[in-house]
Order: sequence, then structure tokens, then C-alpha cells
Amino acid sequence: DQQVKQNSPSLSVQEGRISILNCDYTNSMFDYFLWYKKYPAEGPTFLISISSIKDKNEDGRFTVFLNKSAKHLSLHIVPSQPGDSAVYFCAASGRNAGNNRKLIWGLGTSLAVNP
Amino acid sequence: DAGVTQSPTHLIKTRGQHVTLRCSPISGHKSVSWYQQVLGQGPQFIFQYYEKEERGRGNFPDRFSARQFPNYSSELNVNALLLGDSALYLCASSFSREQFFGPGTRLTVL
Repeated sequence: DQQVKQNSPSLSVQEGRISILNCDYTNSMFDYFLWYKKYPAEGPTFLISISSIKDKNEDGRFTVFLNKSAKHLSLHIVPSQPGDSAVYFCAASGRNAGNNRKLIWGLGTSLAVNP
Repeated sequence: DAGVTQSPTHLIKTRGQHVTLRCSPISGHKSVSWYQQVLGQGPQFIFQYYEKEERGRGNFPDRFSARQFPNYSSELNVNALLLGDSALYLCASSFSREQFFGPGTRLTVL
């Protein structure tokens, strides 16, 4: 049962345009959401995060939007660059009984930015 | 500043053997988590340690164990290896809610 879903396995965008990566979640206990970028054979690189008390967080070319009522978040990359080509993972966490914050991950979206 | 480091980078084992993977967190981070990532999937949570105590365990068999040392480094041990244990094993350290990952150890079980 996938609690974090990234329904688009791949996305292709022209350089300079906007990339929009989507993520849906089912567990209402999640209160923190993160986006990671991953190249093959490397560990995930943290990009940006958002707390459930916010609806938007921006860092340079990256903006994450959170719609709690729809249990949906999205990552916008503007403008997209060829170096952004990678697999993007959405992850979520919530405080649980063990007081730990394990990350629950989506399956990833492979972004290709074409020159 | 050094990020999360993991050793070894690659490892080849045969079925039935055991393996120990090592992780050093970012300086100042007291929490270490381990994840397993198989091809085409997102990382799956295995363990989290904080201040040398286990704080969380994922849905993995008892063949998987871990520990955290006083310097906050950590080891992941897997006994009686199966072919299905072949994966990228990721270690993450954290100070608050963001987790920062090492490059991973690629384990191949033949």
C-alpha cells in the first residue's frame, strides 16, 4: 500500500521551461514533506522541504506547494536546466509512537530536461 | 565540510554469507537511519538510531541488525544473505527533520 504516490514515472521538459513534479499522499499523520534528487549510483540529495503548517516554500529555482485538503504537493523548477535531469523523489514523515521520523518515499519521477 | 560517508562503496557476496556496512554521519548529527533501495523503487526504511538507541525499525527480517557507536557512526549487519538482499543501502544522518544521505553501498548477492 503506497502511502506516497508519484503517478508520473517520467517527465520531459524543454530547457528554460517550467518542470512540475507531483506527489500525492494518503496518511493524514504526515506533517513534513521533502523532495530529493537522485542520480544513478548516488545517494539522494536533499532539495527542499515543507512543513504541513505552510502551503509554499521557495528556494531559488525550486518551489514546493502543499495542498493539505487534497493531500497533494508539487515541486516546481523554473527555469529548468539540463543539469536538473535526474530522478526526483517525494518523501513524507510524521512523528510516530517511537518518536522517530522515518521517511516514506514515492517511487520517483525521472525528469529529462532537453537542451 | 564532510557529508555522510559510507563504506564500502561496492560489495559482492554469496548467498548465506553475512555483511557489515558502515556509515559516518555529518559532524553534529546524532541520528542515523538506514534504507534499502532496490531498482525502480523508492528507499525503504530499515532502522533509525538516535543517541545509540534504536528508535525505529522497518518491516525487515531479524537477519538485519544495526548499532550506533558513541561517536554516532553506525553499522548495518545482514546475516544469511539472500539474492533478494541485492540493493543499494543508504545511510542518512539528521539533526532535525531533514535527512542527508551518503552515496550508498551497492551490495550484490550471487
